[in-house]
Amino acid sequence: EDQVTQSPEALRLQEGESSSLNCSYTVSGLRGLFWYRQDPGKGPEFLFTLYSAGEEKEKERLKATITKKESFLHITAPKPEDSATYLCAVRVRGKLIFGQGTELSVKP
Amino acid sequence: GAGVSQTPSNKVTEKGKYVELRCDPISGHTALYWYRQSLGQGPEFLIYFQGTGAADDSGLPNDRFFAVRPEGSVSTLKIQRTERGDSAVYLCASSLSGTADTQYFGPGTRLTVL
Repeated sequence: EDQVTQSPEALRLQEGESSSLNCSYTVSGLRGLFWYRQDPGKGPEFLFTLYSAGEEKEKERLKATITKKESFLHITAPKPEDSATYLCAVRVRGKLIFGQGTELSVKP
Repeated sequence: GAGVSQTPSNKVTEKGKYVELRCDPISGHTALYWYRQSLGQGPEFLIYFQGTGAADDSGLPNDRFFAVRPEGSVSTLKIQRTERGDSAVYLCASSLSGTADTQYFGPGTRLTVL
């Protein structure tokens, strides 16, 4: 069964304290792994797509990496404005299967 | 350019009533998706359209849910005989073509069934 699990469910960081979010997946035939950011009351905002093990993508303080079984979203020196829920999803026959998300809170 | 828009942003209805939720995709996007998100959970797939036809409706929970996209652009999600368990945020997404492109999401419609 295609499945996505994210950990931790919630993460509290001090400003400048780097950390990583985990996304474990089981899917038959990966057609893309996606990271989205979601702010309260808003729709998911696209961040990255990864297609194969070893691939990396970066955007400002965020870097996404992927292996055959999991993906990581690394956050370097986070700022309070990075506070949001981060969603991971895999594409299966067109549709996205999401994890439950990691709620990140960055305190000044 | 304009992103995906959804109306209304909030809908409160009574148990047993009929509701329609509307989605305007990004101009030129041929694929359109509906998801449902409950509090504290990730979005769950409902249905996707390629053009005017429903390519995959395997996520619709039961026959009270129906969606249309008659001209290949705007889509309407219709829910009959609403139940309290239908309360959630309904998200719409669109992608440029087919299923290989990035899905861009709208702000969602928050449905509350009293």
